[in-house]
Amino acid sequence: EPEVTQTPSHQVTQMGQEVILRCVPISNHLYFYWYRQILGQKVEFLVSFYNNEISEKSEIFDDQFSVERPDGSNFTLKIRSTKLEDSAMYFCASRGGRVTDTQYFGPGTRLTVL
Amino acid sequence: GQQVMQIPQYQHVQEGEDFTTYCNSSTTLSNIQWYKQRPGGHPVFLIQLVKSGEVKKQKRLTFQFGEAKKNSSLHITATQTTDVGTYFCAGGNTGRRALTFGSGTRLQVQP
Repeated sequence: EPEVTQTPSHQVTQMGQEVILRCVPISNHLYFYWYRQILGQKVEFLVSFYNNEISEKSEIFDDQFSVERPDGSNFTLKIRSTKLEDSAMYFCASRGGRVTDTQYFGPGTRLTVL
Repeated sequence: GQQVMQIPQYQHVQEGEDFTTYCNSSTTLSNIQWYKQRPGGHPVFLIQLVKSGEVKKQKRLTFQFGEAKKNSSLHITATQTTDVGTYFCAGGNTGRRALTFGSGTRLQVQP
């Protein structure tokens, strides 16, 4: 069964450093998402991406964040200058073209900012 | 903005007891999805409900979508230790691409 993959599984970084989290969505999917989950809390939406542009973003997704789909397979989330409060699990998800299509989540990247 | 509330936050049951979690949205949803997250894991899709009043079953799990498409429930009959995890509902809206997750209900099953 096709699945969403994410790398790395765990990233430790110093405050102020830039990080890039990588995702490979399911190959025929059209919509891509980043969510985050602070330890013990609910999953929060960050951004959605369709047709090579951001289609929606939350208030969490400020100027420090950016997303890219640099080639036909990868989907990346960049945090320019990490803060302590960016420490969380970051999940990538993808879905097909219909609004009712299921979103499939990747295994996540645990980001620890020291 | 849209909010999705979920209760209870936590439930501890004896193996064999039933369990129910409830989800309420502040706005009408186009669909609702349920996910299970094991400790240390990622959300795993369980089911999607689209129609008003819809009821779906998966073995011991029964999912309902309210008539007004603003609430939903997940009921597990005769819980097993493998049911342990956090159950999240997530509301979908035709006007948005993203899901709005509820706060989750953490289920602990005592053998």
